[in-house]
Amino acid sequence: DQQVKQNSPSLSVQEGRISILNCDYTNSMFDYFLWYKKYPAEGPTFLISISSIKDKNEDGRFTVFLNKSAKHLSLHIVPSQPGDSAVYFCAARYSDMRFGAGTRLTVKP
Amino acid sequence: KAGVTQTPRYLIKTRGQQVTLSCSPISGHRSVSWYQQTPGQGLQFLFEYFSETQRNKGNFPGRFSGRQFSNSRSEMNVSTLELGDSALYLCASSSRAWPGELFFGEGSRLTVL
Repeated sequence: DQQVKQNSPSLSVQEGRISILNCDYTNSMFDYFLWYKKYPAEGPTFLISISSIKDKNEDGRFTVFLNKSAKHLSLHIVPSQPGDSAVYFCAARYSDMRFGAGTRLTVKP
Repeated sequence: KAGVTQTPRYLIKTRGQQVTLSCSPISGHRSVSWYQQTPGQGLQFLFEYFSETQRNKGNFPGRFSGRQFSNSRSEMNVSTLELGDSALYLCASSSRAWPGELFFGEGSRLTVL
């Protein structure tokens, strides 16, 4: 059961522009949401998180927005850099951590 | 400190065989969870162990099993391998009893022929 969904398998943006990655979830019991980034041949690494009691969390170029009523969260990367090219996984936590299928971001120079 | 270590990194098996994968968590981490990554499916949760006890299990058949030792190292086993078991198997450790930030290993790439 896909409780966490990333409906866009890929996204391509120009360097310097904004990247917006989206994630939807179905389980209203999730209390914590995270984004992980994965480069080829490496394990995913933690990027940014947000508690369900907040609607925004910012860390440098990365901002995560949470809309609980819509069960939707998004990751904004501004400005995008070629080094941001990777697969991004959305994750949600309740009794364990559930991940989406991932979105492959390509940032073109 | 050393990260999460998974062995072997790559392995090839044939249908019907069984395989055992190993994971050494970050020192001091007592929670270990396992994920299967396949194209299009993302990371599918297999199971999670804390202090040698399986606390959560995903929707995988009984052919998939695991255990955790007193030193927090964990193993997962897949018996009667099927072609569809070909995937990257990722182990992650966490320092908190409640699933907190996960630190992933580089994974074990299993190919079933």
